[in-house]
Amino acid sequence: GESVGLHLPTLSVQEGDNSIINCAYSNSASDYFIWYKQESGKGPQFIIDIRSNMDKRQGQRVTVLLNKTVKHLSLQIAATQPGDSAVYFCAENPYNFNKFYFGSGTKLNVKP
Amino acid sequence: DVKVTQSSRYLVKRTGEKVFLECVQDMDHENMFWYRQDPGLGLRLIYFSYDVKMKEKGDIPEGYSVSREKKERFSLILESASTNQTSMYLCASSIPGLRSGNTIYFGEGSWLTVV
Repeated sequence: GESVGLHLPTLSVQEGDNSIINCAYSNSASDYFIWYKQESGKGPQFIIDIRSNMDKRQGQRVTVLLNKTVKHLSLQIAATQPGDSAVYFCAENPYNFNKFYFGSGTKLNVKP
Repeated sequence: DVKVTQSSRYLVKRTGEKVFLECVQDMDHENMFWYRQDPGLGLRLIYFSYDVKMKEKGDIPEGYSVSREKKERFSLILESASTNQTSMYLCASSIPGLRSGNTIYFGEGSWLTVV
């Protein structure tokens, strides 16, 4: 399968700081990417997506950056809150638009 | 609101038992998926279905089968459960085609323990 990896398995940040979660993907033909948040004991929830014809997309307190040159994706969370503590996954959609491939996730710990 | 419902949240089954995991979505989505999630391995696709009675193997189909008799329902079947199938199973659905906002919606997960 496709390789969708994350640089850090665990990230700890102070409440109120900004968080940056990184993701590397391997297939330069992938043209759609999604970030998911998964809280303990729950299914993944959609956060934000980006198409390959964009470099940046902003949502509420979140921004996704896409660097196609180095095949890198990042999720920025502004003013991180305790409720942001969760595991974050990136997902890549190569070739077949019916399939997505997920990384193993980064756990975000927000310290009060 | 988007809703994917997995009927069983927690199950304990014995080795060799036949296990059914049921999933229902209320969004009229054509695509439905079954993933399993294990620590350090992320989400791995078992099977997906792009229409009623249509199915396609994912990356780890061995030991599993699926059934899609109705558009809203997608069942995962473990013909003879084994301990290495202890995992969390996630059902998901989506509409076909790519456009912004079109994504996969997940259920809450089914935790299966095989003893």
